[in-house]
Amino acid sequence: NAGVTQTPKFRVLKTGQSMTLLCAQDMNHEYMYWYRQDPGMGLRLIHYSVGEGTTAKGEVPDGYNVSRLKKQNFLLGLESAAPSQTSVYFCASSRTSGGTDTQYFGPGTRLTVL
Amino acid sequence: LAKTTQPISMDSYEGQEVNITCSHNNIATNDYITWYQQFPSQGPRFIIQGYKTKVTNEVASLFIPADRKSSTLSLPRVSLSDTAVYYCCNAGNNRKLIWGLGTSLAVNP
Repeated sequence: NAGVTQTPKFRVLKTGQSMTLLCAQDMNHEYMYWYRQDPGMGLRLIHYSVGEGTTAKGEVPDGYNVSRLKKQNFLLGLESAAPSQTSVYFCASSRTSGGTDTQYFGPGTRLTVL
Repeated sequence: LAKTTQPISMDSYEGQEVNITCSHNNIATNDYITWYQQFPSQGPRFIIQGYKTKVTNEVASLFIPADRKSSTLSLPRVSLSDTAVYYCCNAGNNRKLIWGLGTSLAVNP
């Protein structure tokens, strides 16, 4: 039982390049989330999904797109990377949402945009 | 705007009890309060969750007063391995988790 996995672990991009971050979970969770973590700013929600085929915007969605074609996978795309997107990205999943939400996190992807 | 507020950092020594308090503005009636722990270069990990009064598990206790406007995470007899960042959370009105900025706990020998 791997839990939540993220690919890749590290990546360096040049401004304007594109890339996709992959998140996979094997817990049959309905809900999945993408966060970014920056020093002094805690965790900020980028996009989330409440089930296969659905996505919704979080707190900081600009510059990112997501897709949830399969229940176990949640993809985060950067179409034209900018230095402001240098961050650590975490994926998480949960069985339910709302007030009883307990999220399980992946190990993170460290992205640097030059 | 619903948010949580917690101290930026705390210092302690091995063997001491550590209490970290968080304020939960505009917490909804049905919201639970959850605390996570994060070590460097890892994702956050669930520690404990509660609705009211006191909850205890094998690693921590959580105290929530009757008005539920705050919560206190209690770590008994901390060790060096408890050095981490601790986050308090509750669900906001849009049902997504609202995260605090985290409390960086340093445990000294």
